[in-house]
Amino acid sequence: QVQLQESGPGLVKPSQTLSLTCTVSGGSISSGSYYWSWIRQPAGKGLEWIGRIYTSGSTNYNPSLKSRVTISVDTSKNQFSLKLSSVTAADTAVYYCATGGGGSYYYWGQGTLVTVSS
Amino acid sequence: QSALTQPASVSGSPGQSITISCTGTSSDVGGYNYVSWYQQHPGKAPKLMIYDVSKRPSGVSNRFSGSKSGNTASLTISGLQAEDEADYYCCSYAGSSTWVFGGGTKLTVL
Repeated sequence: QVQLQESGPGLVKPSQTLSLTCTVSGGSISSGSYYWSWIRQPAGKGLEWIGRIYTSGSTNYNPSLKSRVTISVDTSKNQFSLKLSSVTAADTAVYYCATGGGGSYYYWGQGTLVTVSS
Repeated sequence: QSALTQPASVSGSPGQSITISCTGTSSDVGGYNYVSWYQQHPGKAPKLMIYDVSKRPSGVSNRFSGSKSGNTASLTISGLQAEDEADYYCCSYAGSSTWVFGGGTKLTVL
């Protein structure tokens, strides 16, 4: 049973870079054919796909965020990470890491709230 | 890449059936058989209910079913139960290795 856990600062200042890590347990991030993804949800709003990474390091990003997003993987730590640069209040959201086959997210982290504020 | 269109809310009485629509374009919903549906209770992470338009993951009740016609996908819940009250989101492949979610639908069980 794969389990995911997000971690990182809950408060980020405007214009700075948001950095989150997702730790995978119950399975190796290098095995299988899963894509490892980030999804966010502003309070009271819908889900937004941010992007994903394959264990090979291949990445895909939401076109609307592509210029500010970097997703990376550290197979030695069984983790993958999200960096979102030049954040504004609009980036305040609960950030989820998730995985599954293709675009079907069977496994989710519990989510972590990141607030952008000075 | 625009969010898929879902009704803001739907409601039904216990035992009834309801259907939630998810409308996109030929570039996403209509172009691929990669639509999934998620159930989200308040304060919780989403849960996968349907994938690849109509497939159910192990453990998901057969009261949940999915379908697609043209650019619109649908989630049907039959035999509505109080525990089904939640937000529901559709998600579709949008080409170029990207994915897009719907705006979400709040289901109220009367």
